[in-house]
Amino acid sequence: DTGVSQDPRHKITKRGQNVTFRCDPISEHNRLYWYRQTLGQGPEFLTYFQNEAQLEKSRLLSDRFSAERPKGSFSTLEIQRTEQGDSAMYLCASSLALTPLNEQFFGPGTRLTVL
Amino acid sequence: QQQVKQSPQSLIVQKGGISIINCAYENTAFDYFPWYQQFPGKGPALLIAIRPDVSEKKEGRFTISFNKSAKQFSLHIMDSQPGDSATYFCAAKSAIQGAQKLVFGQGTRLTINP
Repeated sequence: DTGVSQDPRHKITKRGQNVTFRCDPISEHNRLYWYRQTLGQGPEFLTYFQNEAQLEKSRLLSDRFSAERPKGSFSTLEIQRTEQGDSAMYLCASSLALTPLNEQFFGPGTRLTVL
Repeated sequence: QQQVKQSPQSLIVQKGGISIINCAYENTAFDYFPWYQQFPGKGPALLIAIRPDVSEKKEGRFTISFNKSAKQFSLHIMDSQPGDSATYFCAAKSAIQGAQKLVFGQGTRLTINP
């Protein structure tokens, strides 16, 4: 039983560069979520997909951020023209809709450092 | 706007003692309240969760107590062990159809002294 996986685990980039992260959810989970966590804080919701449809986006998701889940399986999160304020841990979670509690299971995260 | 307030920020408990972390919420539409445990450099791991139709849920050494009228819930860790040293987050999710995001508290850094 494999959990949620994320790649890469760490990314260091220079301000202004574009970065892309990948998330593979738990097999058969049809919901996929992206959160951002800064040091000493709880995760903050960014967006979520049900299958391939992006159903909710946070105001935190500026126009430099784009997320996709083209085939309803893995998802990518792209940040264009990165800024130092984008430095954070980017967490992916997945869940199975229609289960009683719809528990969200998190991956290990991708730590982004923008220099 | 902080919708879920968590306290304390940090907590030190002796091995074998009871660790208690509290959370309060304002949004009466919340209907699902999970607790997550996070070790440094790792993603949050679901520990235990509760819905408002019960006042208490116990799984092993972990218990959630829920007070709907006060809009408060808490995590109790019995017989706390050094391996429980981690950051704990409470969270809440709305019952509104289509709303799936978890709203997290600020976290409690728990240290269990041996």
